[in-house]
Amino acid sequence: TQLLEQSPQFLSIQEGENLTVYCNSSSVFSSLQWYRQEPGEGPVLLVTVVTGGEVKKLKRLTFQFGDARKDSSLHITAAQPGDTGPYLCAGARNAGNNRKLIWGLGTSLAVNP
Amino acid sequence: NAGVTQTPKFRILKIGQSMTLQCTQDMNHNYMYWYRQDPGMGLKLIYYSVGAGITDKGEVPNGYNVSRSTTEDFPLRLELAAPSQTSVYFCASSYLLGTGELFFGEGSRLTVL
Repeated sequence: TQLLEQSPQFLSIQEGENLTVYCNSSSVFSSLQWYRQEPGEGPVLLVTVVTGGEVKKLKRLTFQFGDARKDSSLHITAAQPGDTGPYLCAGARNAGNNRKLIWGLGTSLAVNP
Repeated sequence: NAGVTQTPKFRILKIGQSMTLQCTQDMNHNYMYWYRQDPGMGLKLIYYSVGAGITDKGEVPNGYNVSRSTTEDFPLRLELAAPSQTSVYFCASSYLLGTGELFFGEGSRLTVL
């Protein structure tokens, strides 16, 4: 059972189009992180959202945390070939004294010139 | 700052061989992690450590061992390599457990034939 459903798994679009990636769960998260992974490298943090309903912008990328803190979205405006690559979401859950990151399976984005 | 450094970047093993993936970080982070990433399967936590001398199992620990003798180093040992261990392995560290930003190494691509 995947606790954090990320969709779509694959997305191929043309340069200039907009797109949205979703991370959904039935569980509440204390925070949610979005990572991007360049070829041959490890994931790098893009943003962390903490408050329900929070919206953060990073140039053409807009991140939103759901009001109930169970879901999040990443919207890219006017996608460019340089945006190509995997995007990962990870939700933080507190379980007693143990805090865990739950990872989505990732979205592989291809932006064609 | 080098951040998180992993070696080797690539390795081919024969079934039944053993090897150690090295990981070191220079950020003085208490928390360190080993993940494996398979195509379309996201990141799976193998082991993690909350400080020198303390390690704990993640989701997929079978076939692996770790040690944490210093804050900086967190090697991952593969005993009796199997084809199912063919994967990309990432070491990561963080300042906070579970909720803080993870800093990843560049990954180690392991093939078991």
